[in-house]
Amino acid sequence: GQNIDQPTEMTATEGAIVQINCTYQTSGFNGLFWYQQHAGEAPTFLSYNVLDGLEEKGRFSSFLSRSKGYSYLLLKELQMKDSASYLCAVLRAAGYALNFGKGTSLLVTP
Amino acid sequence: GAGVSQSPSNKVTEKGKDVELRCDPISGHTALYWYRQSLGQGLEFLIYFQGNSAPDKSGLPSDRFSAERTGGSVSTLTIQRTQQEDSAVYLCASSKRLAVNNEQFFGPGTRLTVL
Repeated sequence: GQNIDQPTEMTATEGAIVQINCTYQTSGFNGLFWYQQHAGEAPTFLSYNVLDGLEEKGRFSSFLSRSKGYSYLLLKELQMKDSASYLCAVLRAAGYALNFGKGTSLLVTP
Repeated sequence: GAGVSQSPSNKVTEKGKDVELRCDPISGHTALYWYRQSLGQGLEFLIYFQGNSAPDKSGLPSDRFSAERTGGSVSTLTIQRTQQEDSAVYLCASSKRLAVNNEQFFGPGTRLTVL
């Protein structure tokens, strides 16, 4: 099976930088995804990592270390609209379904 | 349509009744997934379909749950003899093809409440 852990809640200030961590234990690995989910809305794709290292996409970056079973999502120049739940998901080794963590609820304050 | 659509958006039912939830994937997407999101829990995989291949049903929690995908497009998730623990948001997603790096596009979900 797979165990995916991420903090339940985080708070950060508008304009600041925040890092959301995700650790996973898995019997197989085919990549890690980050999704953003605003309250009452569908999750939307942010990033995909399968190789070690940092992937940068505008204000958002995602890092992966396969040997440590660790990823983080870095959000820069925070905006109020970034208040949302951030979901870490690991692609199962067998098949194509995603195993999700419980999500990190981020609150951006003025 | 432009995105994945699901109906109904909300469903309230009584314990023991059967319910059907519908998903319309993005046109041209061959892979379709069902997940559910319970309060305080992460998204839980239920089942996925790829073209005419046999679906992966490994996530279905019990034999009360079943799903069909007709004509490689629309899918229906059926829950028989609903229980209160079935209350959750049921999310459908689709992707262009079944591939490890393929982004899944999610629908808005159906909120199921079992009284």
